[in-house]
Amino acid sequence: DGGITQSPKYLFRKEGQNVTLSCEQNLNHDAMYWYRQDPGQGLRLIYYSQIVNDFQKGDIAEGYSVSREKKESFPLTVTSAQKNPTAFYLCASSMRDVNNSPLHFGNGTRLTVT
Amino acid sequence: DAKTTQPPSMDCAEGRAANLPCNHSTISGNEYVYWYRQIHSQGPQYIIHGLKNNETNEMASLIITEDRKSSTLILPHATLRDTAVYYCIVRVRGSQGNLIFGKGTKLSVKP
Repeated sequence: DGGITQSPKYLFRKEGQNVTLSCEQNLNHDAMYWYRQDPGQGLRLIYYSQIVNDFQKGDIAEGYSVSREKKESFPLTVTSAQKNPTAFYLCASSMRDVNNSPLHFGNGTRLTVT
Repeated sequence: DAKTTQPPSMDCAEGRAANLPCNHSTISGNEYVYWYRQIHSQGPQYIIHGLKNNETNEMASLIITEDRKSSTLILPHATLRDTAVYYCIVRVRGSQGNLIFGKGTKLSVKP
């Protein structure tokens, strides 16, 4: 089945540690996105990438970093500079700049930093 | 992207049609209306989208008013598994993916 895989589903880290969240897709989509969701809130865009080796900051990129070395993969690193890293992180993909192109989401990684 | 307004919550009886409204009065001519839903602790699921014509697929129907300032998502025969938060989003054709997800409508389907 084609889809987006995020791993792990739950992640626990100590404050001050960097942590990397995995996102892999086999939909042959060019564009990939990372969103953050806090309890009772909508989604906020962290980073997005329209093509391999290129990515742009979203609304809340501070304290995060990404890479896009392969079309299938878009890992997100939550650095120690992120002041409130505990959240639900969602990865998505879509066709690039194509009309009628919905986003396909993974099932998320819930990160808890203590 | 234009902003949307949705009621925070709605109830629906199982087996009945669920009609979820969305106001997008500042929508531009090239902005699509998208609907997603999110079941607790899962990623959002795409439901349907449209530009100005009404649309129907196996999950739902989307009715867009003639002036495009509002739309209604219709789940024709709601089941308990349709209980979720439903998001209405407007998106510029070919935009970079910066979808503005508001708080959505929490639909509770009751037996």
